[in-house]
Amino acid sequence: DSGVTQTPKHLITATGQRVTLRCSPRSGDLSVYWYQQSLDQGLQFLIQYYNGEERAKGNILERFSAQQFPDLHSELNLSSLELGDSALYFCASSGSGGAWETQYFGPGTRLLVL
Amino acid sequence: GENVEQHPSTLSVQEGDSAVIKCTYSDSASNYFPWYKQELGKGPQLIIDIRSNVGEKKDQRIAVTLNKTAKHFSLHITETQPEDSAVYFCAASIGQAGTALIFGKGTTLSVSS
Repeated sequence: DSGVTQTPKHLITATGQRVTLRCSPRSGDLSVYWYQQSLDQGLQFLIQYYNGEERAKGNILERFSAQQFPDLHSELNLSSLELGDSALYFCASSGSGGAWETQYFGPGTRLLVL
Repeated sequence: GENVEQHPSTLSVQEGDSAVIKCTYSDSASNYFPWYKQELGKGPQLIIDIRSNVGEKKDQRIAVTLNKTAKHFSLHITETQPEDSAVYFCAASIGQAGTALIFGKGTTLSVSS
């Protein structure tokens, strides 16, 4: 158990809908990262937050957005969902969000878009 | 863009044998190289990492080597056990802050007893 929690575990929804994935980092960690894992694209970095501020951005679609709240939990919002958005979404956390820091991954949220 | 190539995609070994997984990265600014193990239904778990200021690191049966000139790094698992069976991912740091990770496609390791 990494100490990173993600809810929900599974999510089934329809195309065009909007969903919110939630992540709580390990106790004491200030930075969270979101990754998408799909069969064709593998594990892809989406976005990083540190203490409420965006720190780094990857291949995150404009239909996706994220934020980190004052209590340090983070939410990833996915809107206008398409079939291709079906994937595993992982949250990771690290202490100060700096380079060379170990990122601890949560168990993931499996999203299925029908 | 930045890329990490990982080989082989599948690897089958007998218990007690060694396993080697190799990765090549493209971003010369990458300076942090973690390896993750992912078991079915779980999130990736860090097993070892190496920073660009060292060439080799060992932790019990696991070792990682880094050749920055050639942009190669490798994972070595000795005395493999059935519980080592999983998908292994290499990764390299990218981006201006060096905090984002780019992952290889993964290697499915099967250890048979």
